[in-house]
Amino acid sequence: QQPVQSPQAVILREGEDAVINCSSSKALYSVHWYRQKHGEAPVFLMILLKGGEQKGHEKISASFNEKKQQSSLYLTASQLSYSGTYFCGTFTSGTYKYIFGTGTRLKVLA
Amino acid sequence: DAGVIQSPRHEVTEMGQEVTLRCKPISGHDYLFWYRQTMMRGLELLIYFNNNVPIDDSGMPEDRFSAKMPNASFSTLKIQPSEPRDSAVYFCASSSQLAGIYNEQFFGPGTRLTVL
Repeated sequence: QQPVQSPQAVILREGEDAVINCSSSKALYSVHWYRQKHGEAPVFLMILLKGGEQKGHEKISASFNEKKQQSSLYLTASQLSYSGTYFCGTFTSGTYKYIFGTGTRLKVLA
Repeated sequence: DAGVIQSPRHEVTEMGQEVTLRCKPISGHDYLFWYRQTMMRGLELLIYFNNNVPIDDSGMPEDRFSAKMPNASFSTLKIQPSEPRDSAVYFCASSSQLAGIYNEQFFGPGTRLTVL
């Protein structure tokens, strides 16, 4: 089953904050977050692992609650460049199946 | 490094024709993934390889789809015969495993397939 992301879509003004959630019905080994701009390929943002380790390349933070099988992506002081569709990618524990979430469309307005 | 390379970037074909999509992963990456993206179904993992060996092909929709990875620098996804419902953007991605942890996936630019 595909992880469910919420909200499905969000509109922000520059400088506002947003939280995107990813919820899985299966136990997770790790969570990846990607951003995809229209007409382009997904680009890696962050990886979260069991035990709390995080690796990312941008000033975006995230959390991973293993017990709740959930991850959240925190976008603070949003910029126009943050616009796009955000996907979580999840590795399920045991089977190591990789499944992308349903996606969240984010639009930042000037 | 040039990144993941896919060809062609666009393909328009008629129903019933064979379609072959190509991918060159980043050198040194030992995982290769094929995805399909549509508005209705989102991003779907079709198949992935580790060291040229298919590991999980449970996402391949039906027997009309096949994928091969004859060596570490090349993979193909073939659809035969193609159908209009196969129209989608097909992405190839590669990654490496470091210390047992799956690293980020680097995506190619995608192939936009239209089946008439």
